[in-house]
Amino acid sequence: SYELTQPPSVSVSPGQTASITCSGDKLGDKNAYWYQQKPGQSPVVVIYQNNKRPSGIPERFSGSNSGNTATLTISGTQAMDEADYYCQAWDSSVVVFGGGTKLTVL
Amino acid sequence: EVQLVESGGGLAQPGRSLRLSCTASGFTFGDYGMSWFRKAPGKGLEWVGFIRSKAFGGTTEYAASVKGRFTISRDDSKSIAYLQMNSLKTEDTAVYYCTRLITIAAAAHFDYWGQGTLVTVSS
Repeated sequence: SYELTQPPSVSVSPGQTASITCSGDKLGDKNAYWYQQKPGQSPVVVIYQNNKRPSGIPERFSGSNSGNTATLTISGTQAMDEADYYCQAWDSSVVVFGGGTKLTVL
Repeated sequence: EVQLVESGGGLAQPGRSLRLSCTASGFTFGDYGMSWFRKAPGKGLEWVGFIRSKAFGGTTEYAASVKGRFTISRDDSKSIAYLQMNSLKTEDTAVYYCTRLITIAAAAHFDYWGQGTLVTVSS
């Protein structure tokens, strides 16, 4: 079965750039999606189709996907961005998630 | 405004059944696929399954962990999606989320999520 691998945690200082990676075999041949989940809240899609931002998502969120790695980049990270982030891809008709990355802003 | 409201969660004993409902509003329900996810305590997000719209056959797909035990159905006349959970196990304990499945340029993702309903499986 297809697997996606994320680092368990990433730390960033306020105002700096955070990068969260997601690795999978030939992931660049698929579309990658990113979801943000804050404690006690439902997940929110922040990037779809590799690099598209839904309306209402700040411009500081961006995405890329090439080779075996998709990357979520948060520029000028704010305290409100502290959350768990999950990458997602499709393996045929099966939804695959990475294990999630806890982003700490300190 | 798109809204998804889950209901039906609660405490169930191992081996018993529970049915969750997801009541949708703010969009033409029948035009969209619907999916269920869950998040167990201390674990990551897990996809449970989805049901396609009638235009795409209304067929279903499931994660291996629930296949054969869980069934997703839909009632387009009521704008409700269901998750029937049978033969529950303690490891099914989680917050269950209902989501809308949107397709853009032949690629699909989950754009709206409900607030979740807690299912606890324990004796």
